[in-house]
Amino acid sequence: EAGVAQSPRYKIIEKRQSVAFWCNPISGHATLYWYQQILGQGPKLLIQFQNNGVVDDSQLPKDRFSAERLKGVDSTLKIQPAKLEDSAVYLCASSLDETDQFFGPGTRLTVL
Amino acid sequence: DAKTTQPPSMDCAEGRAANLPCNHSTISGNEYVYWYRQIHSQGPQYIIHGLKNNETNEMASLIITEDRKSSTLILPHATLRDTAVYYCIVRVRERKSSGDKLTFGTGTRLAVRP
Repeated sequence: EAGVAQSPRYKIIEKRQSVAFWCNPISGHATLYWYQQILGQGPKLLIQFQNNGVVDDSQLPKDRFSAERLKGVDSTLKIQPAKLEDSAVYLCASSLDETDQFFGPGTRLTVL
Repeated sequence: DAKTTQPPSMDCAEGRAANLPCNHSTISGNEYVYWYRQIHSQGPQYIIHGLKNNETNEMASLIITEDRKSSTLILPHATLRDTAVYYCIVRVRERKSSGDKLTFGTGTRLAVRP
């Protein structure tokens, strides 16, 4: 079974630029999560989708971060404009029934 | 905030058992104990979970104390590939529209030495 796919794996941008990350969950998984992991810390949930609807975005900085999952499958996470403190690994995870989550390899973002 | 407490780092010799402790003194009756690990440059990987009985799978064993206030993850024969950060998480395991959250702490960094 294919796992969660993410791209790109690495991205370097300058502050105030925009960036987008893509996630393809495991086939059939209705729930999709985006996490932010700052160096030395555990992952922190940013947003959770159930199919194409948002279930929880309470920790998403909505002034600069946005996410969508238009057809209930793939998802994109965007940052506009990026700040230095956004440097982190962005992890996507999916689950079949909101119980056990499977994570992708992540996208490492460096903001200069 | 994470509801668990773990030592920041541990080490063990290759081939020996690695016993990783976790305190969760405020755990609720419907919360499960979950363990994930994160190998360098990879996403977290599910290991095992349990409610109150001890559990074993092909990766590890989970021992939960009778009062459920602490648990131990056991890797019976640690290898160099088990070097990772191990996260202990308590969470509700229910189907509901808001989902149940994985709240990660800083975990235990396990180093397996040759």
